[in-house]
Amino acid sequence: EAQVTQNPRYLITVTGKKLTVTCSQNMNHEYMSWYRQDPGLGLRQIYYSMNVEVTDKGDVPEGYKVSRKEKRNFPLILESPSPNQTSLYFCASSSKTGSGGYTFGSGTRLTVV
Amino acid sequence: AQSVSQHNHHVILSEAASLELGCNYSYGGTVNLFWYVQYPGQHLQLLLKYFSGDPLVKGIKGFEAEFIKSKFSFNLRKPSVQWSDTAEYFCAVSWDSGGYNKLIFGAGTRLAVHP
Repeated sequence: EAQVTQNPRYLITVTGKKLTVTCSQNMNHEYMSWYRQDPGLGLRQIYYSMNVEVTDKGDVPEGYKVSRKEKRNFPLILESPSPNQTSLYFCASSSKTGSGGYTFGSGTRLTVV
Repeated sequence: AQSVSQHNHHVILSEAASLELGCNYSYGGTVNLFWYVQYPGQHLQLLLKYFSGDPLVKGIKGFEAEFIKSKFSFNLRKPSVQWSDTAEYFCAVSWDSGGYNKLIFGAGTRLAVHP
């Protein structure tokens, strides 16, 4: 089954404790993105990747890092999480043409206390 | 900067009522248009998409949308809603941005359908 897999689904952590949210897709998609979803703001792009070793900032990149060492994986790293990063995070992937639209993972609900 | 606007943040309807959710975007070039749905506690699912051709697009679950290029609009419609349509709906637009298919979202519309 074609899918984007995120882990974990839920995460509660303390301020400053580094964490990584994993994302993997099995569709051989070139493009991958991370979004955060906040009430009233919709989904905002954090980082995106056009291909292996090619990443760039989205609209809200501060406090986040990503890497794309393999085509299928695109982890999101919070080096020093803060409470304002409490949010619902989605990973998504798309083919280069985008003709199929983006496929989204199930989401990771992160709480930073 | 490019943006996507959804006209209503909250919509409340009774079952069998007709639905229309507005969406406007600001980008003047060639775009691809999407509507996604997010049921409570779930991830986003693609309802329908427009890339080219017939501006009236039919999607899953009886939804359709009409692309009106002159109005930069892509409104979502359903003739008769059901309780199971209760969800949040997101309009999204993508375009070629330096070789990358950038996708941005509207703020979303929460739809509540009462039996």
